Amino acid sequence: QQQVKQSPQSLIVQKGGISIINCAYENTAFDYFPWYQQFPGKGPALLIAIRPDVSEKKEGRFTISFNKSAKQFSLHIMDSQPGDSATYFCAARPDSNYQLIWGAGTKLIIKP
Amino acid sequence: EADIYQTPRYLVIGTGKKITLECSQTMGHDKMYWYQQDPGMELHLIHYSYGVNSTEKGDLSSESTVSRIRTEHFPLTLESARPSHTSQYLCASSELRAGSGELFFGEGSRLTVL
Repeated sequence: QQQVKQSPQSLIVQKGGISIINCAYENTAFDYFPWYQQFPGKGPALLIAIRPDVSEKKEGRFTISFNKSAKQFSLHIMDSQPGDSATYFCAARPDSNYQLIWGAGTKLIIKP
Repeated sequence: EADIYQTPRYLVIGTGKKITLECSQTMGHDKMYWYQQDPGMELHLIHYSYGVNSTEKGDLSSESTVSRIRTEHFPLTLESARPSHTSQYLCASSELRAGSGELFFGEGSRLTVL
């Protein structure tokens, strides 16, 4: 069964710290790994995404680290800010004809 | 900014009523989706469409139905609402072409069935 396991379920980080959210997958045919950010009362929005041919992608304070052999990928938020407080979802896709497989989400709280 | 709109944003309705949640997008996307989500919880795909006259059931069984008569419009209907249908319903769209994976979500319709 295709699954994406996300951890932790919730995370509290001090302002300025590093937030790390992890995801693990089983299907080696996944070809696209996005992270979505959702604020209360809003729909999720794409934050950053990576394909399995690279090990890291950085956009501003947000970085995806990808470990193909371990079948794991993680989101790192550097210099975390209170405005980063949201729920984060990882996802994976078998190929472009299939739907995303979603992680269960991580509620991130950044304490001022 | 995503141009995908959902109405109503909030709906409180009695058991047995028929409801339709509207979703429209102005991006010309072929793919559209409906997800069910309890607040802050996991996303469950209940319906999707590859284009006009195409509808498929998602991973989570749902008593709702959808239609896709126009590219930009993907309404979801519950013929007889029950308290178990209380949830948030999120509509999304994406391009059909290979290599593009970004989903654009609406702000959701929060349904409460009394």
